[in-house]
Amino acid sequence: QSALTQPASVSGSPGQSITISCTGTSSDIGAYNYVSWYQQHPGEAPKVIIYGVSNRPSGLSDRFSGSKSGNTASLTISGLQAADEAHYYCISYTTTNSLIVFGGGTKLTVL
Amino acid sequence: QLQLQESGPGLVKPSETLSLACIVSGGPIASNGHYWGWIRQPPGKGLEWIGSIFYNGNTYYYNPSLKSRVSIHADTSQNKFSLKMTSVTAADTAVYYCATTPVTAFGYAWYFDIWGRGTLVTVST
Repeated sequence: QSALTQPASVSGSPGQSITISCTGTSSDIGAYNYVSWYQQHPGEAPKVIIYGVSNRPSGLSDRFSGSKSGNTASLTISGLQAADEAHYYCISYTTTNSLIVFGGGTKLTVL
Repeated sequence: QLQLQESGPGLVKPSETLSLACIVSGGPIASNGHYWGWIRQPPGKGLEWIGSIFYNGNTYYYNPSLKSRVSIHADTSQNKFSLKMTSVTAADTAVYYCATTPVTAFGYAWYFDIWGRGTLVTVST
């Protein structure tokens, strides 16, 4: 069981927007702005798409955005494209002994 | 642009030691800009952070659940860093990724910006 809770799957049609939630506690997501999101296509390494809650790496499409409210972080993908179909993982620093906690991952299906 | 490439045996016997290396190209490992670390992913499952070190070995972070079996070392002469995990079991079967963490004004940035392609390590007789 993962320390951060993500929905197992979400889906959307091309052009639509979707949001993936990542729920933690006041010891992790709620404590600091060290939430990051990763996109992983089958057979490939994860790729960071959001860090520090809402920062995008240089060159990444602004269709990807991140936010946080209380103990829940969110990843929003707007203008869905077929290439967005992948697994998405959230990660957070935690003040507990674990130091870093992960979400279980969300499979995004583009219909 | 930094690039990472994992190398090591794909099969390890139970109770033995898993040893992997991560070859770094595109920049020196002896840099104040990054920590060097490892993350793993069991087949069909989620990610698990193993640990990260600074190039001089003076600062490091390990997953407490693995700390007793894991060590990470940096070799600045060969521009690579390594992972050793002792007493492996089938539960250690996973794709192992090496990855960097940036250093910011606040220190360790707690995310992973550059990843290797990963290498599958199977623990089996």
